[in-house]
Amino acid sequence: EADIYQTPRYLVIGTGKKITLECSQTMGHDKMYWYQQDPGMELHLIHYSYGVNSTEKGDLSSESTVSRIRTEHFPLTLESARPSHTSQYLCASSEGGRTTNEKLFFGSGTQLSVL
Amino acid sequence: DQQVKQNSPSLSVQEGRISILNCDYTNSMFDYFLWYKKYPAEGPTFLISISSIKDKNEDGRFTVFLNKSAKHLSLHIVPSQPGDSAVYFCAASPIIQGAQKLVFGQGTRLTINP
Repeated sequence: EADIYQTPRYLVIGTGKKITLECSQTMGHDKMYWYQQDPGMELHLIHYSYGVNSTEKGDLSSESTVSRIRTEHFPLTLESARPSHTSQYLCASSEGGRTTNEKLFFGSGTQLSVL
Repeated sequence: DQQVKQNSPSLSVQEGRISILNCDYTNSMFDYFLWYKKYPAEGPTFLISISSIKDKNEDGRFTVFLNKSAKHLSLHIVPSQPGDSAVYFCAASPIIQGAQKLVFGQGTRLTINP
């Protein structure tokens, strides 16, 4: 199994704060993703990356930003958190290559609560 | 427009019996389907997958069936065990090169009763 780590696991912050959610993987995967999920709802792709210096927005509009300076690291930043950002944020990775039949490996997620 | 639908938000099954979770999709461009299992406050873990060139894939107690004409897939768990209690997500991937942009259903919460 892939090793993919997210910190923090839980975060409670006040409105207007800047936060960064960390995600690291040790498998050397080229592709990394951020999903957002609310209880009882599907996972929504908010950002993805094909590799270093590559970032793309996902299907769900998000006010967050991401960077990919190193293969193993894909942090997500919210410049000014709001209560509407309260959600679970899931980071994932998959191997590179040309195949489309890849499975994603997920981290344990960050549960963000903005008061 | 939700492309992957799991119409049953919850399912309760007796331990030892068969659990059947269903998933429907609308996009005919999907060619690869996966099931993920998720415990509370954890990330999803991969369970089983199936390519559109197959209609069945089996792995131990888990079997996934694909009916392309009906755009329907199902996950069978037999026999069901208490540790199977979790939320199960169906996901689909289109025939597009590049990033694996999985489209997920809303999930079905499976409860196995002792």
